[in-house]
Amino acid sequence: EVQLVETGGGLIQPGGSLRLSCAASGFTVSSNYMTWVRQAPGKGLEWVSIIYSAGTTYYADSVKGRFTISRDSSKNTLSLQMNALRAEDTAVYYCARASYNVGCCSFDSWGQGTLVTVSS
Amino acid sequence: DIQMTQSPSTLSASVGDRVTITCRASQSISSWLAWYQQKPGKAPKLLIYKASTLESGVPSRFSGSGSGTEFTLTITSLHPDDFATYYCQQYSSYWTFGQGTKVEIK
Repeated sequence: EVQLVETGGGLIQPGGSLRLSCAASGFTVSSNYMTWVRQAPGKGLEWVSIIYSAGTTYYADSVKGRFTISRDSSKNTLSLQMNALRAEDTAVYYCARASYNVGCCSFDSWGQGTLVTVSS
Repeated sequence: DIQMTQSPSTLSASVGDRVTITCRASQSISSWLAWYQQKPGKAPKLLIYKASTLESGVPSRFSGSGSGTEFTLTITSLHPDDFATYYCQQYSSYWTFGQGTKVEIK
């Protein structure tokens, strides 16, 4: 069974850094495309970043230069390093597996999410 | 950037109703469109990908259609478990979600 569990969220001051982790089971992170999606309180879904199995990464303009997606094959985990955090980064962050069906990608398995609150 | 616009934003319906949600793309996305269902406090769940392909395990009362810039999600007979918020997502160029459609009890 595919399972994703995010950790690392919390309260952080503006300008601070936080690292989110996503532990996967039931499949191999490094053999799949993996992504982060966030949802501000009461708002819709916003794609944040993706890493392809070959290691290529992409970021939303809103986080480019501040966030870094990575993976650890030995631990079968996905990470999101978030620097220079802003109030508008406050959201529930979901990791998800990105399914490549000819085109890339719909997101077919999701974690339960971890809340990041950026506030002084 | 490709913008996705869903309508309506809120839909009031009763159990057994046929429900249709529309999603429009700001430019052609071929059939690179997915639909998700999200319940309060829960992660989104993939329902449909490539505009009309039902994800494994999703009930057949859900269906998707469209191509280019206009797409629809149809629930043929609304079940109590279907009251939720629905999002479309394009994956033709990067990834963008619609603003969501909340299906509420009438």
